Amino acid sequence: QTVVTQEPSLTVPPGGTVTLTCASNTGAVTSDYHPNWFQQKPGEAPRALIYNTNNKQSWTPARFSGSLLGGKAALTVSGVQPEDEAEYYCLLFDGAAWVFGGGAKLTVL
Amino acid sequence: EVQLVESGGGLIQPGGSLRLSCAASGFTFTDFWMHWVRQVPGKGLVWVSRINPDGTRITYADSVKGRFTISRDNAKNTVYLQMNSLRAEDTAVYYCARVPNGGWGPFDPWGQGTLVTVSS
Repeated sequence: QTVVTQEPSLTVPPGGTVTLTCASNTGAVTSDYHPNWFQQKPGEAPRALIYNTNNKQSWTPARFSGSLLGGKAALTVSGVQPEDEAEYYCLLFDGAAWVFGGGAKLTVL
Repeated sequence: EVQLVESGGGLIQPGGSLRLSCAASGFTFTDFWMHWVRQVPGKGLVWVSRINPDGTRITYADSVKGRFTISRDNAKNTVYLQMNSLRAEDTAVYYCARVPNGGWGPFDPWGQGTLVTVSS
């Protein structure tokens, strides 16, 4: 059974840069896992930020970018804004089914 | 406006059954895979199931395989999740989301979710 792991929490100062990662217990994450990234704020449904590794939605701010880094999927936020404080989830396709990571709480402080 | 609206949630006893619906509007329903995702309040997202545009390809998470059935009615622009043999651990908000056919995202939009509570 595929297990997807994210950092449970990260803290970054306003204006800083942070990278969230997404690892699979089955091995290195490649583009074949089609990584997706979502942002969820309290009381709201998740919102798609990045799909298929590095493709942005029309509303995804330019400061968000997706990539593959060191065998993991990565979401980098450059120039973090206070409104970026949220839970972030990655989603990978393991060849048979989709699997979410446990989520990463990003605190802007 | 592209919209997904879930319904059918509620309080159900362990071992019971419930059918969730997700009504789609504002787009060509048959151009999209449909997915169900659940979330225990305060916890993380869990992918549940997906169905392709013509209903011939279906996948489930191991945790619901054999108990849940996804289906769609393209004439009604609606996807369903039939949930049988419900357990306390199935308690969650259930969301539906669409994904373009032939694509690997985006999962967008999501509905507002419907809460299923399994409890005696």
